[in-house]
Amino acid sequence: EIVLTQSPGTLSLSPGERATLSCRASQSVSSSFLAWYQQKPGQAPRLLIYAASSRATGIPDRFSGSGSGTDFTLTISRLEPEDFAVYYCQQYGNAPNSFGQGTKLEIK
Amino acid sequence: EVQLVQSGGVVVQPGGSLRLSCEASGFTFDDYTMHWVRQAPGKGLEWVSLINWDVINTYYADSVKGRFTISRDNSKNSLYLQMNSLRTEDTALYYCARHKSPYSGDDAFDIWGQGTMVTVSS
Repeated sequence: EIVLTQSPGTLSLSPGERATLSCRASQSVSSSFLAWYQQKPGQAPRLLIYAASSRATGIPDRFSGSGSGTDFTLTISRLEPEDFAVYYCQQYGNAPNSFGQGTKLEIK
Repeated sequence: EVQLVQSGGVVVQPGGSLRLSCEASGFTFDDYTMHWVRQAPGKGLEWVSLINWDVINTYYADSVKGRFTISRDNSKNSLYLQMNSLRTEDTALYYCARHKSPYSGDDAFDIWGQGTMVTVSS
């Protein structure tokens, strides 16, 4: 099973700043099948990025994904108040699917 | 509207059984691989099980293998999770989720249900 490690555990930033979230895999993720989700309290996760760098439908272009192999990054170029949430990465190229432990993005 | 609507939360005793349901609407349910994902209180996401769109293949996390069974009834646009021999560590919010693309082998999850809270406690 591929283990995904996200860092940092918590990221404290202000609106307007740039956020960089990391996801590292214990082995290479097949075909860059890596996704990012946003989850707010009391809500289901929302798909942001799939295939490492493709934005899902309706996702603002301030969200971008990059990386390949074992190292992946989610970047939010300019934080809006609604972006403060928990973010999870997921690999779906190697069975079983697995999720990272999450990065909490909080307002500084 | 494309959506997944799940059944209500329940409390069950350790060793008990429970069946979760997830009803799809707004898309051709038959064409999509479906998953169950759970989240223990205050914790992260854990993938539980999947069933392919063609119903031929099912897969399970090691933590539930042999105890949980995933199934679907395409005539009712519904996904199910039969949960047997429940343990306290199965306490979680259970989400159903859909593959982003029809007929896809490996894919991200673009539509999620609202979640069903399962509490295993005596």
